[in-house]
Amino acid sequence: EAGVTQFPSHSVIEKGQTVTLRCDPISGHDNLYWYRRVMGKEIKFLLHFVKESKQDESGMPNNRFLAERTGGTYSTLKVQPAELEDSGVYFCASSQGGRGPSSYEQYFGPGTRLTVT
Amino acid sequence: GENVEQHPSTLSVQEGDSAVIKCTYSDSASNYFPWYKQELGKRPQLIIDIRSNVGEKKDQRIAVTLNKTAKHFSLHITETQPEDSAVYFCAASGHQGAQKLVFGQGTRLTINP
Repeated sequence: EAGVTQFPSHSVIEKGQTVTLRCDPISGHDNLYWYRRVMGKEIKFLLHFVKESKQDESGMPNNRFLAERTGGTYSTLKVQPAELEDSGVYFCASSQGGRGPSSYEQYFGPGTRLTVT
Repeated sequence: GENVEQHPSTLSVQEGDSAVIKCTYSDSASNYFPWYKQELGKRPQLIIDIRSNVGEKKDQRIAVTLNKTAKHFSLHITETQPEDSAVYFCAASGHQGAQKLVFGQGTRLTINP
């Protein structure tokens, strides 16, 4: 079974440009989460999808960030326009949902390292 | 909201010795506590988790303990090996993990041969 995948692995853009990150969760996983780790600090939550609906977007820093999950499969996270403080590693995670003790174990992707210059 | 504190930030132990990492949380509604291991350049990997109805859980050389009254939980690694070197993150979540994970700051563990 393939794990969570993310694209691209690295992105270097200039301040003011736009970047779109993509996450493909594990097949069949209803829950999809975005997290970010900035400058070696803790991993911080951005938002949570259940299927195609936004369940919790309390961690989104501002309206320059837009996340979508059309059709409840893959998700994109767009940053427009990018600022210097947006640099960091963006992780996606997914969990199956439903019942059972393992239903909500979150499996992480390898991350996208975003550098804004 | 939930706040998770993790200590120490760095830990260096001799190969074969034990390592202990401690976390405290603030929200008594949290009931799911996973631990992730992140090796350099790799994804965070779930290594063990514990739910609030259990006080201790073991899996080979790793164990996690939970004290709900004191709101703290700990990761114990015994007989450490060089491949245990990594950054370890604790986290807390509500609704048995269905909600977001709130992470601690991470502990960089180095195993010295």
